[in-house]
Amino acid sequence: NAGVTQTPKFQVLKTGQSMTLQCAQDMNHNSMYWYRQDPGMGLRLIYYSASEGTTDKGEVPNGYNVSRLNKREFSLRLESAAPSQTSVYFCASSVGRMAFFGQGTRLTVV
Amino acid sequence: AQSVSQHNHHVILSEAASLELGCNYSYGGTVNLFWYVQYPGQHLQLLLKYFSGDPLVKGIKGFEAEFIKSKFSFNLRKPSVQWSDTAEYFCAVNLYGQNFVFGPGTRLSVLP
Repeated sequence: NAGVTQTPKFQVLKTGQSMTLQCAQDMNHNSMYWYRQDPGMGLRLIYYSASEGTTDKGEVPNGYNVSRLNKREFSLRLESAAPSQTSVYFCASSVGRMAFFGQGTRLTVV
Repeated sequence: AQSVSQHNHHVILSEAASLELGCNYSYGGTVNLFWYVQYPGQHLQLLLKYFSGDPLVKGIKGFEAEFIKSKFSFNLRKPSVQWSDTAEYFCAVNLYGQNFVFGPGTRLSVLP
């Protein structure tokens, strides 16, 4: 049972570089989410997708773009990375009232 | 907008001490409530959840939480903590079909 799979687990970027964080779930969930976790701030929602083909901004969307490629996959793109985007990123999927989280991606922007 | 607050940023206890972590939320309607735990270097794991019914819910590893609707609270408790409970604990709220809102987290350090 893979659940929610994120890649990569770790990444170091230079300021201005771009990258895409990948997320896939095998539970046939409609809803998927991207959160960032920063010390003392909990998890803050970046973007979410209620269903295939739809995406909506969350609390902290600036500097990010997302793609809901199909029902399984929801990617997060940083077009021009900034040090303020150094964080741990979690992808999640949900059905009804239950959410399931990936292992996280630790991103450092230098 | 919904918000979730957690009373303590960092709690330090000795083994066998009792634990209570506070959580309050701002939404006045029907909510679903969760406590998640994150052990060092790991992802979030569900400790327990409340959807409806008995306001005292029991979760894994001896944790329990009480939903008090009049106080908009969902406090987490454990009678006797262990060193292995050292982790960060997050309270979260979900409106059915909408996204999950997390509190800022409480870091628990248990001293052996």
